Amino acid sequence: GQNIDQPTEMTATEGAIVQINCTYQTSGFNGLFWYQQHAGEAPTFLSYNVLDGLEEKGRFSSFLSRSKGYSYLLLKELQMKDSASYLCAVLDSNYQLIWGAGTKLIIKP
Amino acid sequence: ETGVTQTPRHLVMGMTNKKSLKCEQHLGHNAMYWYKQSAKKPLELMFVYNFKEQTENNSVPSRFSPECPNSSHLFLHLHTLQPEDSALYLCASSQDRQGNEKLFFGSGTQLSVL
Repeated sequence: GQNIDQPTEMTATEGAIVQINCTYQTSGFNGLFWYQQHAGEAPTFLSYNVLDGLEEKGRFSSFLSRSKGYSYLLLKELQMKDSASYLCAVLDSNYQLIWGAGTKLIIKP
Repeated sequence: ETGVTQTPRHLVMGMTNKKSLKCEQHLGHNAMYWYKQSAKKPLELMFVYNFKEQTENNSVPSRFSPECPNSSHLFLHLHTLQPEDSALYLCASSQDRQGNEKLFFGSGTQLSVL
C-alpha cells in the first residue's frame, strides 16, 4: 500500500527553528507538496519538490531525498502565526495525490 | 483569500435531511475537486471534475451526489447521511487536471450529522 508518515504534533518556541519530517512509500514519485492549514481555514500551497535538494522560500525551506523517500519542511524565525497544520502530499506514478495526516505545529511564546 | 469560496461554513443535519454544499472559484481554473477531511486523517479525494466532466469518483457512497454545471461552480448534494459522514468537506481547484499543479482550496464546510 501507499503510505505517508509525518508526526502528529510538534511544539516549538517563537523565534526558533523547527523541522517537520515526512517519509513516504508510494508507487512511483512525481513530486512532493507541502501545504499549510490554519485552524478553520483553507489549506494553502507552500512548496513543490520534484528534484533532490533544498529549496528556500523566505523563512520556509523544503528538502527532498527521493532515494530515501524523505522530505522535510524547515521553518526559521518562528512566529506565532506559524501555528498551523502542515500537510505533506506525494504525487504517485498515476499522478494521484497521496496525503499524510498532517502535523499540528504549536508555537509557544 | 484563495479565490475559492464555499458555503455554508457550518451545517448540522439529521440523517433524513437533504442539503447541498456549494463551491465557487474565481480563478478561471478548469479542474475542481471535493475532498473529505476527518480529524487526524489524511485528506480523502471524493470527486474530480475537469472541464465540467466528472473524471474520478473514488468509491464514494451514492448518498453523496456531485454536480458541476460549469467550470466555476461545484455542488455536493447530500441525502440520508450517516453520523460517520461528519467531517470537513473541502473544495479545491487547479488550472488543469495534470496532477503536478498546486491546488487552491476553499475554507470548507464543517458538517455534523446527527
